[in-house]
Amino acid sequence: GAGVSQTPSNKVTEKGKYVELRCDPISGHTALYWYRQSLGQGPEFLIYFQGTGAADDSGLPNDRFFAVRPEGSVSTLKIQRTERGDSAVYLCASSPRRDSPEQFFGPGTRLTVL
Amino acid sequence: DAKTTQPTSMDCAEGRAANLPCNHSTISGNEYVYWYRQIHSQGPQYIIHGLKNNETNEMASLIITEDRKSSTLILPHATLRDTAVYYCIVRTGAGSYQLTFGKGTKLSVIP
Repeated sequence: GAGVSQTPSNKVTEKGKYVELRCDPISGHTALYWYRQSLGQGPEFLIYFQGTGAADDSGLPNDRFFAVRPEGSVSTLKIQRTERGDSAVYLCASSPRRDSPEQFFGPGTRLTVL
Repeated sequence: DAKTTQPTSMDCAEGRAANLPCNHSTISGNEYVYWYRQIHSQGPQYIIHGLKNNETNEMASLIITEDRKSSTLILPHATLRDTAVYYCIVRTGAGSYQLTFGKGTKLSVIP
């Protein structure tokens, strides 16, 4: 079956602009996660959704970052007033339920802020 | 979740076993050891996890010491496609969700 997909695969934007990154999880997976990976580092947790609600957004770095999952499937990560430090690969993962041992990751969106 | 320590990099000859160590000396009784890997330009991929018994699946074996303070991931016959960054992660079992990644071990499989 289809895995986790993320669009776009690459996004280049200018400092101060608004961007949206999309994640399509595996069908039927109730848990969805966003991570951010800077060059040379491991992925860093941003936010976790169980169904439609954000159960834990403690990893979001500041209030410029926001994520939604209105129908419990597709999720969008939104970044306002982008800064050069936001440049990273944004990874989405899904799992059948909260405590599933395996998280299935998408290929990521590479965001570059000029 | 407990912190893990892994070597920065390792080499392994193609066809040989790759043994990747991980220290997790502060692991708690309800914390599991997970291994993920990340091939270049891809998202991380789950490999295996365990609590205290050794585990084996089609990808790898996980050996956890009796005191649970360290573990070793074994790829029995490494191929060039196993070249990746391998992450050892300690995660609470029931009720846990987020994964806390360190920098991992860069494994290079050499022809």
